Amino acid sequence: SQQGEEDPQALSIQEGENATMNCSYKTSINNLQWYRQNSGRGLVHLILIRSNEREKHSGRLRVTLDTSKKSSSLLITASRAADTASYFCATALTGANNLFFGTGTRLTVIP
Amino acid sequence: NAGVTQTPKFQVLKTGQSMTLQCAQDMNHEYMSWYRQDPGMGLRLIHYSVGAGITDQGEVPNGYNVSRSTTEDFPLRLLSAAPSQTSVYFCASSNAGNRNSPLHFGNGTRLTVT
Repeated sequence: SQQGEEDPQALSIQEGENATMNCSYKTSINNLQWYRQNSGRGLVHLILIRSNEREKHSGRLRVTLDTSKKSSSLLITASRAADTASYFCATALTGANNLFFGTGTRLTVIP
Repeated sequence: NAGVTQTPKFQVLKTGQSMTLQCAQDMNHEYMSWYRQDPGMGLRLIHYSVGAGITDQGEVPNGYNVSRSTTEDFPLRLLSAAPSQTSVYFCASSNAGNRNSPLHFGNGTRLTVT
């Protein structure tokens, strides 16, 4: 079964607007990571947040983590057409070697 | 620096045929893994390896074999292809010694089994 679930499944916004995607997971984690996938390509790592962190920033990206609610959010500010992609959260479970991915959010930024 | 290289990019097989999907990385990463990506299912882990000579099963290992004879290579074998194995396959690697190390992905192999 999927460890993570993203919400919404699809999101369409105008260029310049902010985009927020959410991720919920089921069990205790070591860290949570967000990846982007452009059409026909592999996933690219965006940002990692450890279980003892609550917020992290990287450029136009802001990630929050609430371990009590087992949820995370990814905010992309001032979106651009080039941000059009699918975004996945992935959880590194406590005591495990592997990453488990959610089902993704398809973001479309309209120029 | 090539990163993670997957070959072939596309493949069509008939039911019952076998093939090997190749994956190579040049980053000296200890950890390598194979995922399959299906619509609405996200990425599911097939097999993984934490170093040369060591492999283990992921979430969906049935119908697939792997081996890890070198640090660089991690081939995925389909012994008898089935239509249910139609998918996009991704190989990924990371520094296994650091659990906070991100995965580096190849660009995938799109497999169709008829």
